[in-house]
Amino acid sequence: GESVGLHLPTLSVQEGDNSIINCAYSNSASDYFIWYKQESGKGPQFIIDIRSNMDKRQGQRVTVLLNKTVKHLSLQIAATQPGDSAVYFCAENKNNNDMRFGAGTRLTVKP
Amino acid sequence: ETGVTQTPRHLVMGMTNKKSLKCEQHLGHNAMYWYKQSAKKPLELMFVYNFKEQTENNSVPSRFSPECPNSSHLFLHLHTLQPEDSALYLCASSQDSGSYEQYFGPGTRLTVT
Repeated sequence: GESVGLHLPTLSVQEGDNSIINCAYSNSASDYFIWYKQESGKGPQFIIDIRSNMDKRQGQRVTVLLNKTVKHLSLQIAATQPGDSAVYFCAENKNNNDMRFGAGTRLTVKP
Repeated sequence: ETGVTQTPRHLVMGMTNKKSLKCEQHLGHNAMYWYKQSAKKPLELMFVYNFKEQTENNSVPSRFSPECPNSSHLFLHLHTLQPEDSALYLCASSQDSGSYEQYFGPGTRLTVT
């Protein structure tokens, strides 16, 4: 069936390095994608979004790339900091309320 | 803080108990959501309310009963739960149900014994 998933369950990076978190989706009809960050003991926090008519969007220290050809979504975090340690998951949306979430990747930043 | 609060933060209940989870949003939003987050599984949407009206029930068992008395408050009434219902229950709100950006509360960690 159609689903959202992540390539790796864990990612460990050195402080100051760039992080890349990947997400694969299979629903070609999805028109909106979101990345969330969830810290321990907290609810998910919106990071950045991108619509299907775009292939790149930049925020503060974060960039989301969308490759519709291979149905791949990635989140790039520049100069990763200890405060970036969290679980990151993507979500795809089709027809407004049909939001599907990935299982998440745990990012650990080593000092 | 996201502007969405949930109480209690932790709850342990037996299978014969009845309890309620509470969510309150201070953002002036009109849509509210209940999600279930189990270990190593994606977030599962349970219920959606838009302007106090339930617009989605995602095949949730009847032992979970939502209530939305106004646009700022959302409850999840629990009765005769099963151990597999143990999870983090997250509440979220958005401007309306057509808005993609949802603001999440911290969740209630529920353990059913």
